[in-house]
Amino acid sequence: DAEITQSPRHKITETGRQVTLACHQTWNHNNMFWYRQDLGHGLRLIHYSYGVHDTNKGEVSDGYSVSRSNTEDLPLTLESAASSQTSVYFCASSGLAGNSYEQYFGPGTRLTVT
Amino acid sequence: LAKTTQPISMDSYEGQEVNITCSHNNIATNDYITWYQQFPSQGPRFIIQGYKTKVTNEVASLFIPADRKSSTLSLPRVSLSDTAVYYCLVGGDEKLTFGTGTRLTIIP
Repeated sequence: DAEITQSPRHKITETGRQVTLACHQTWNHNNMFWYRQDLGHGLRLIHYSYGVHDTNKGEVSDGYSVSRSNTEDLPLTLESAASSQTSVYFCASSGLAGNSYEQYFGPGTRLTVT
Repeated sequence: LAKTTQPISMDSYEGQEVNITCSHNNIATNDYITWYQQFPSQGPRFIIQGYKTKVTNEVASLFIPADRKSSTLSLPRVSLSDTAVYYCLVGGDEKLTFGTGTRLTIIP
């Protein structure tokens, strides 16, 4: 069955370190997204991609970068981790089917920056 | 992007029908209305999507009046497993903008 996976599921890192969160989908979807969710808040869009070599900034992109070298993967990199980036990170993918914008979400990565 | 307003929380008893209303006064002509459900420690899950009138699937119904400035998600005969946060989203492309959602608690 097709799926979307994230790794690691939990990560503790120190301030200033570079961290990369992996996202892999086997839906063959063109669209992929990264969100962060903080306690008591909804999800906020960090970066998104509509296809290979396409990347776009979301509403909270500062301090994050992504690259899309193939259809299946969209890794999220924190260039220099900060305590404010402690959060739960969700990756999602979607492929237009008719008029549907249904996104499929991964299980999330809980990142703690100490 | 259209801003949405929905109740912060709701309680309901098992077996009842639950209606969650979302206000989106600035909805654009090309915007669709989409609802997601999120359980603790999980990613959101798509429930239903619509453009106008009524849409029904195996888990919910979505009612959209003619002016499209609001929408109502209807969950029939809820059970304890329907306790979750429900998000109303409005948009015209693949990007989604999540608000804080409605925390629905089902009481036995």
